[in-house]
Amino acid sequence: NAGVTQTPKFRVLKTGQSMTLLCAQDMNHEYMYWYRQDPGMGLRLIHYSVGEGTTAKGEVPDGYNVSRLKKQNFLLGLESAAPSQTSVYFCASRPWRETGELFFGEGSRLTVL
Amino acid sequence: GENVEQHPSTLSVQEGDSAVIKCTYSDSASNYFPWYKQELGKRPQLIIDIRSNVGEKKDQRIAVTLNKTAKHFSLHITETQPEDSAVYFCAASVGGGGADGLTFGKGTHLIIQP
Repeated sequence: NAGVTQTPKFRVLKTGQSMTLLCAQDMNHEYMYWYRQDPGMGLRLIHYSVGEGTTAKGEVPDGYNVSRLKKQNFLLGLESAAPSQTSVYFCASRPWRETGELFFGEGSRLTVL
Repeated sequence: GENVEQHPSTLSVQEGDSAVIKCTYSDSASNYFPWYKQELGKRPQLIIDIRSNVGEKKDQRIAVTLNKTAKHFSLHITETQPEDSAVYFCAASVGGGGADGLTFGKGTHLIIQP
């Protein structure tokens, strides 16, 4: 049981390049989330999904797109990376039953030059 | 939407002393208040949580208190140890399953001085 797995762990991009972060969970959780963490800013919600085929915007969605084609996977895409998107990205998941613990992945450190 | 304020941003205490971190929230509908600990380079991990129908919860050296009227909740760590050094985040979630995720405070860097 691996929990929540994120790939890649590290990535360096040039401004304007595109990339996709993959989040995979093996706990059969319905809800999945993408957060970004910046120094002194805490964790801010980018997008989330309450089930396969559904996504919704969080607090800071601009410049990102997401897809949830399979229940266990939640993809975060950057179509045209900007230096402001340099951050550590965390994926998280939890079951739908009631508000409770979020299970986080190990994080993906993205640098945009 | 929900707004969570957390203070202080940095807290330095002597080993063995107590540490208190405070948070306020804005949405009176919020009913779930977790605390996460994040060690350097690691993922956030839940250490304790409290729901709105409870005023206080303890787990060994850690306790959380909630004042719904004032929209305040606090984390108390007693007999601090070196391994308590980390960044701590409070969070709040609106009820109904909280599908829209947690709103986090900006974090408190707790430093335990030997």
